[in-house]
Amino acid sequence: KAGVTQTPRYLIKTRGQQVTLSCSPISGHRSVSWYQQTPGQGLQFLFEYFSETQRNKGNFPGRFSGRQFSNSRSEMNVSTLELGDSALYLCASSLSQGSGANVLTFGAGSRLTVL
Amino acid sequence: AQKITQTQPGMFVQEKEAVTLDCTYDTSDPSYGLFWYKQPSSGEMIFLIYQGSYDQQNATEGRYSLNFQKARKSANLVISASQLGDSAMYFCAMRKLPPKAAGNKLTFGGGTRVLVKP
Repeated sequence: KAGVTQTPRYLIKTRGQQVTLSCSPISGHRSVSWYQQTPGQGLQFLFEYFSETQRNKGNFPGRFSGRQFSNSRSEMNVSTLELGDSALYLCASSLSQGSGANVLTFGAGSRLTVL
Repeated sequence: AQKITQTQPGMFVQEKEAVTLDCTYDTSDPSYGLFWYKQPSSGEMIFLIYQGSYDQQNATEGRYSLNFQKARKSANLVISASQLGDSAMYFCAMRKLPPKAAGNKLTFGGGTRVLVKP
């Protein structure tokens, strides 16, 4: 059974550019969440999608956006990149939302460096 | 708001010994779930163990056990018989459960880095 696949794994951008990251969840999983991980702020929740609808959003500026497609694949976009956006972006998928031991399965992440 | 505190930024453990990773949490929610994840240097977060706030017994999964003390708001992870492959970052996390569930949003602690010595 394939795990959560994130692409690209590594990318380098310059300030002001925009970036799109992709996440393919485990087959059958309908919920996709995104997290940002930095040394200074740790792991922070970005947003969550379920059945193509954003169900939850973290405290990030509007430059951060996402979407989910009918096949549950998800993309997140960061526009007008800033140096502070350099981070590991982790995607996680799960079968459903919020019930009991519903476990999030994470991908290996996309490491973004902004120069 | 939920908050997770992991007070041990890093620790060494001898191979084959047990290690306890501390996790304390703060929440006003009546129902919540507690998770532990392992993050090796590759970056992928690996689920280890789960404990529900209403579970009567402490959770166990192979070499991992969770020492849940609800009154003290602590959920410490115990790894028995440490192996070299256990060297990684370990994160404690929390999620609201119904009826106040907010989807699958996890709140993470700052993590503890474990290095297993041969």
